[in-house]
Amino acid sequence: GQNIDQPTEMTATEGAIVQINCTYQTSGFNGLFWYQQHAGEAPTFLSYNVLDGLEEKGRFSSFLSRSKGYSYLLLKELQMKDSASYLCAVLDSNYQLIWGAGTKLIIKP
Amino acid sequence: DVKVTQSSRYLVKRTGEKVFLECVQDMDHENMFWYRQDPGLGLRLIYFSYDVKMKEKGDIPEGYSVSREKKERFSLILESASTNQTSMYLCASSNRDREFVNIQYFGAGTRLSVL
Repeated sequence: GQNIDQPTEMTATEGAIVQINCTYQTSGFNGLFWYQQHAGEAPTFLSYNVLDGLEEKGRFSSFLSRSKGYSYLLLKELQMKDSASYLCAVLDSNYQLIWGAGTKLIIKP
Repeated sequence: DVKVTQSSRYLVKRTGEKVFLECVQDMDHENMFWYRQDPGLGLRLIYFSYDVKMKEKGDIPEGYSVSREKKERFSLILESASTNQTSMYLCASSNRDREFVNIQYFGAGTRLSVL
């Protein structure tokens, strides 16, 4: 079966750095997405990785290792507004998105 | 700015009622999707559509149907609502071209309670 694993909840301090991990086992791979979802709102696109390595976009970076079936989202200089759920999703061989359950990130002052 | 609009944020219905959830996108996207989101689970695909009048079953289509009469509108229908269909329903749209990053844009969701 297809499976995406990510931690259920993480807590971090304002101004710090946090890394949210995602491991996957899917039938084929055509890329990995990270989305951010604030409570009661729509998920919004953060990043896309299809090749191994690190993609940096401002305070957010996303890393992919296809051989290990692993990705992480790195958030730097955390702000209170970063409190949200972070969803990992993999595009499988049929170009369907397989979603993880999401990681709820709590930022404390 | 891209926009996906779902007609209702909250709905309360009774068991056995027929329920319509509407979704409209203004980005001229070919692809549209309906998901449900439940605590502790990833988004689960109910139905999707790659073109007008076209529909494909997702992972959990049982108890649902869809309609896509116009490119911008994708409706989810619960023929006879049941309590296990109480959930958050999310609509999304994306461009067709598989050669490029196929970002899905989401509506704010409809929280449906079936009593």
